[in-house]
Amino acid sequence: GIQVEQSPPDLILQEGANSTLRCNFSDSVNNLQWFHQNPWGQLINLFYIPSGTKQNGRLSATTVATERYSLLYISSSQTTDSGVYFCAVGASGAGSYQLTFGKGTKLSVIP
Amino acid sequence: DAGVTQSPTHLIKTRGQHVTLRCSPISGHKSVSWYQQVLGQGPQFIFQYYEKEERGRGNFPDRFSARQFPNYSSELNVNALLLGDSALYLCASRGARAYGYTFGSGTRLTVV
Repeated sequence: GIQVEQSPPDLILQEGANSTLRCNFSDSVNNLQWFHQNPWGQLINLFYIPSGTKQNGRLSATTVATERYSLLYISSSQTTDSGVYFCAVGASGAGSYQLTFGKGTKLSVIP
Repeated sequence: DAGVTQSPTHLIKTRGQHVTLRCSPISGHKSVSWYQQVLGQGPQFIFQYYEKEERGRGNFPDRFSARQFPNYSSELNVNALLLGDSALYLCASRGARAYGYTFGSGTRLTVV
């Protein structure tokens, strides 16, 4: 099956700093989503981005499908950005109904 | 519109027991998926149902089963519970034109 690797596994930032999270995947995808999991376990959908670039406030994401990676940018980080960020992909073709998740990046933003 | 709702939010069961978890998708969404997330890991795919038919199954034993009802809500059943079944169980729904999956808040199952 498709493999998803996220980096870095852990990240500690000072409030106000910027960061880039990376997601590499091993095969063609027809779905790619970035999620933020809060301390209560809720998975919040940040972006649906199988290709291209999107922005939403301080967050933006870029997926280069031909090179099989996606980046999530967080600017001017806030303590409320803390949590685990997951990249999840749906492989093209058979099995496209399921999302395969990476192991996540745990972000801690300190005041 | 309400999001994806799951019940119960927390559950404690004893080894060997059976458990039923419930999920109501976003109104109009016909696809429901179930995921298991153990502590420190990303969610793992268990099942997907679309129009009441199973469309996909992950690498889970036959103790895990699910079904989808005519109103598109879904149940996940786990028999003969093991300690290793302790996890957060997440339900997700997707509409025909929706871009991506929306997840519920999950059911945290503890097996003792």
